Parts: sequence; C-alpha cells; structure tokens
Amino acid sequence: GAGVSQSPRYKVAKRGQDVALRCDPISGHVSLFWYQQALGQGPEFLTYFQNEAQLDKSGLPSDRFFAERPEGSVSTLKIQRTQQEDSAVYLCASSLYYSTGELFFGEGSRLTVL
Amino acid sequence: GESVGLHLPTLSVQEGDNSIINCAYSNSASDYFIWYKQESGKGPQFIIDIRSNMDKRQGQRVTVLLNKTVKHLSLQIAATQPGDSAVYFCAENIRGSNYKLTFGKGTLLTVNP
Repeated sequence: GAGVSQSPRYKVAKRGQDVALRCDPISGHVSLFWYQQALGQGPEFLTYFQNEAQLDKSGLPSDRFFAERPEGSVSTLKIQRTQQEDSAVYLCASSLYYSTGELFFGEGSRLTVL
Repeated sequence: GESVGLHLPTLSVQEGDNSIINCAYSNSASDYFIWYKQESGKGPQFIIDIRSNMDKRQGQRVTVLLNKTVKHLSLQIAATQPGDSAVYFCAENIRGSNYKLTFGKGTLLTVNP
C-alpha cells in the first residue's frame, strides 16, 4: 500500500484480555515506531525498531507490553492482561532512514478497555 | 464525556487570515523540531521541520520560526483555509537520540468560513 496500515482500527477488550495490534509500514522503510496517544494528548514514544532489531523499548509502560518485528517489515504490538489505563490510540509510524527524518504515521488503532 | 477541546489550547480564525501557533520546549539539548497536523481520526501528518542551526524555514503557505534563546517555536499558516482545521503538534528530538520524538500537548485550530 501507499501508506502505513494499521489493524484493527478499533478494538474493544474486556479488562484482562490480551490484544494484538498490527502495523504494516511503508515498503522499504527501515525505521518503525510505536506511539501511544491518550485522549487530548500528544503521542508518546513506546518503542523503536531498526529493521528487525528493537533498539529502544524504554517507553513501554510495563512488562505487559511487548512489540516485535521479526522480519523487519510488519510489526505487532501486544498488550497482555489489558487494564483500563491502556485505553488509547496506538500509532505506528515508519521512516525510510535510520533516523527520525520524515515520519509517516498510520491512522492508529483505538483500544478501549472496559 | 471528556472532550479533547477541554484540554487543548485553541485558536479560532477566519478563513483567509494568517494563523500563528506557538510551542514552548524545555530541553536545550533538542536539535530538531517538527510540526505535525492531526485531523480527527487520523494519524499525525508531517508539515515542516527545522534544525537548531536555523531560525526560520518556509514551506508552502507555512513558516516555522525557532527562537532558541527563549526555547520557542512557532508555526505560521498563511491564508488559512477550512481544510487547515486540525490539531497541531510540535515535536522535538533531543541531540544524540536520532529517533525519539517528544510531542507537545497540541493546539486545536478552527477555521471559520
């Protein structure tokens, strides 16, 4: 596709359920980022991949959050035992280069935990 | 329920007017700044960027000004159009971290026809 694709666009989970959010970056983009955006706030950094290597996961809120990009393209953000405070929009972004450069964001996955 | 507008600075302008959106940053080690536009239900969209060795950069209808002395960044939009209505975020990148962006809170721009 022409842009960053994320699925599902909307996810409702009961507290305690596990969820998986998928990101298809722009083909050939080296860098991939996950950001979390709470309602009315700016995006907050979660984690960064350079190809398949996860170089920074310092923004992941707890060990319930896990991200992977096994083949250096598609990435999955997994949240185990979801809590209400996990409710947010999860944004994926990719960049052609090995630095921030111009980031291309997907439309996000809105997670609501009941 | 909670409304985005309750927490965001807002700017309301008439179509055709110029808009100025301001952003303060706190980290003097930041060396790269970006403005993003985010429409409802969409991801942020890159508008323009500027490096810390510059104080002004112009794009199509947009200008970014950087004042490092007072740690202030502004986005000027000329001849604002209804399609410019969105939330605008400034983001900074700290020197030495060439990938991690820190976003500001955002400003809601409403353009009245």
